[in-house]
Order: sequence, then C-alpha cells, then structure tokens
Amino acid sequence: EIVMTQSPATLSVSPGERVTLSCRASQSISNNLAWYQQKPGQTPRLLIYGASTRATGIPARFSGSGSGTAGTEFTLTISSLQSEDFAVYYCQQYNIWPQVFGQGTKVEVK
Amino acid sequence: EVQLVESGGDLVQPGGSLRPSCVGSGFTFRIYTMSWVRQAPGKGLEWVSTISSDGSSTYYADSVKGRFTISRDNSKNTLFLQMNSLRADDTAVYYCARGERVGHVNSWSYYWGQGSLVTVSS
Repeated sequence: EIVMTQSPATLSVSPGERVTLSCRASQSISNNLAWYQQKPGQTPRLLIYGASTRATGIPARFSGSGSGTAGTEFTLTISSLQSEDFAVYYCQQYNIWPQVFGQGTKVEVK
Repeated sequence: EVQLVESGGDLVQPGGSLRPSCVGSGFTFRIYTMSWVRQAPGKGLEWVSTISSDGSSTYYADSVKGRFTISRDNSKNTLFLQMNSLRADDTAVYYCARGERVGHVNSWSYYWGQGSLVTVSS
C-alpha cells in the first residue's frame, strides 16, 4: 500500500502570506494526485486533480505541482492566503488501489 | 444540479450490521464510478470502497475487506454499503462520492454527499 505523508501537520500563517503544503508518496504515483480542502462540519472540497489542474470554481490563488519525473513529491501552493482558506488540506493518490489520503495539514491563524 | 444524499446511518452495537445508502440525482448515475469515504470523529479522510459504473468491479480498503460490501442499483440511482461485523473503530461519518475520471475506476471526486453518521457502541 502506498503511504502518503503530508507536511507539516499544522501551519500557522497570517492572511496574505504565501503558503506551501507538501505531500510525499512512498512510491511513484505519476500525476495521479488530488488535493482537497475541508472546513469544520463541511464536506471535502476538491481543489486540484491530476497534480496541477484546478477544479471547477477554484480560485487561481490555489495551484498544484509535482516534482520532476519521480512522481513522489507534490506541492499545493496558496499564493496569498485569504481568511476563508483556513482549513485542513488533504492529498489523495488514485494511481493504484487502495486509494490513500494523506493525514492532512491544518492551516490555522497565526 | 448534482446531488448525493446519504441515509441509513445509525447507532449499532458491536458485531451488528447496517446498510447506508446514497441516492444520486441531477446526473446520469449509471455512467459514474462511486465510492464511500469515511471520517472518524476528529480524524482524517479514509477511503473505504469503490464500485465501477456497471457494478462489475469493486475495491475495498484492507480495514473493511470481508466485512463490507459495496453495491449499486442503477435503476434507482442508488449506492449501498452493506456493513457487517461492525466494530467500534468503524464509527465515522460515511460520505458517498462520485468518481470523475473518464475511462478509469480509480479517480478523484468532485461531488460528495453530506455524510451519514454511523456509531458503533454498546
């Protein structure tokens, strides 16, 4: 089973800051990675799929990338954090079964 | 408007069974892969199971394999999760989610239901 490791576990930031979240796969998953945002009491919201494609309706301040050809290192960047972006962020690999979610990164107010 | 509405969550004793369901509307249910994802209280997301559009292929997390069965009735736009031999660590909100990746069973999900709470406790 692929292990998805997100870092950091918690990130304390101020509105307007640039935020970078990391997700590492224990083996190559090509670009078969999605990012979700979840706020307390809400369902997950798809942000990114295919490692770098923004989902419908997602603001341009959210971007995703993968590092090179290894297919194991991925990043979600929020260019300028807005107040509504404080939430937990999960990565998900859908390259092979079983699907696996990362443990999440909580972005909180500094 | 695409909607996924779960029902059937309940309080059940350890060792018991439950069969939550999810009704899809606003889209052609029979052409989409469907999944169940759960979230224990205060914890992260955990993929549980996925079924192909025609129901011929099913996939399970190791934690539920042999105890849970995913199925669907495309004539009724409904997804099911038969949960047997329930344990305390199965306590979670269970979300149904639609797979978006054309031509693949394994996929990300854009549309999610609101969740159905399953509590396993004596």
